[in-house]
Amino acid sequence: AQKITQTQPGMFVQEKEAVTLDCTYDTSDQSYGLFWYKQPSSGEMIFLIYQGSYDEQNATEGRYSLNFQKARKSANLVISASQLGDSAMYFCAMREVDNYGQNFVFGPGTRLSVLP
Amino acid sequence: DAGVTQSPTHLIKTRGQQVTLRCSPKSGHDTVSWYQQALGQGPQFIFQYYEEEERQRGNFPDRFSGHQFPNYSSELNVNALLLGDSALYLCASSFFGKEETYEQYFGPGTRLTVT
Repeated sequence: AQKITQTQPGMFVQEKEAVTLDCTYDTSDQSYGLFWYKQPSSGEMIFLIYQGSYDEQNATEGRYSLNFQKARKSANLVISASQLGDSAMYFCAMREVDNYGQNFVFGPGTRLSVLP
Repeated sequence: DAGVTQSPTHLIKTRGQQVTLRCSPKSGHDTVSWYQQALGQGPQFIFQYYEEEERQRGNFPDRFSGHQFPNYSSELNVNALLLGDSALYLCASSFFGKEETYEQYFGPGTRLTVT
């Protein structure tokens, strides 16, 4: 079963507009972490934002915010005031932790294109 | 403060050959994870090393093996290469701890092409 679902293969947004990238997850753990990464064409994964399952407030990092709805198991990324440099692949990921360590499960990604 | 580094950047191999990829973690990190990212897909977890031992493993065959050295750097070895092994191989480092830190930093990746 897919643990991370990103239903938008591609998204377009006008420069300076806000955009929401969807992410739903599946876990039976009580403690987990949710991440968003940006991957430009160069290939490097860039950490954007983190939300812990026990965090009561939505995470924010500059123009990035995470709309965390625990009951719905969704962790949508909101990018405000889009810039041309935001064009990239965006991956939602979940950290799973057990006694042996941690690993990250990634979704299939959403390709965001910012239009001038 | 150097981030995660990987070598080589690109690699071309022939089916049946063996390949070794290398990764140096970010300063202060002691855990290294390896991911395979096929074209157009999200990264898939291969395995994770901590204290020179494989701690976690994803759904990859035994052809994929690894090693971690005392200085925390790591190698990924793939034997008997298949065309399907062509992918971007990403290394990520972190500090082993369930709650202390959650950050995982990725290297630039090694693009492997198998012909």
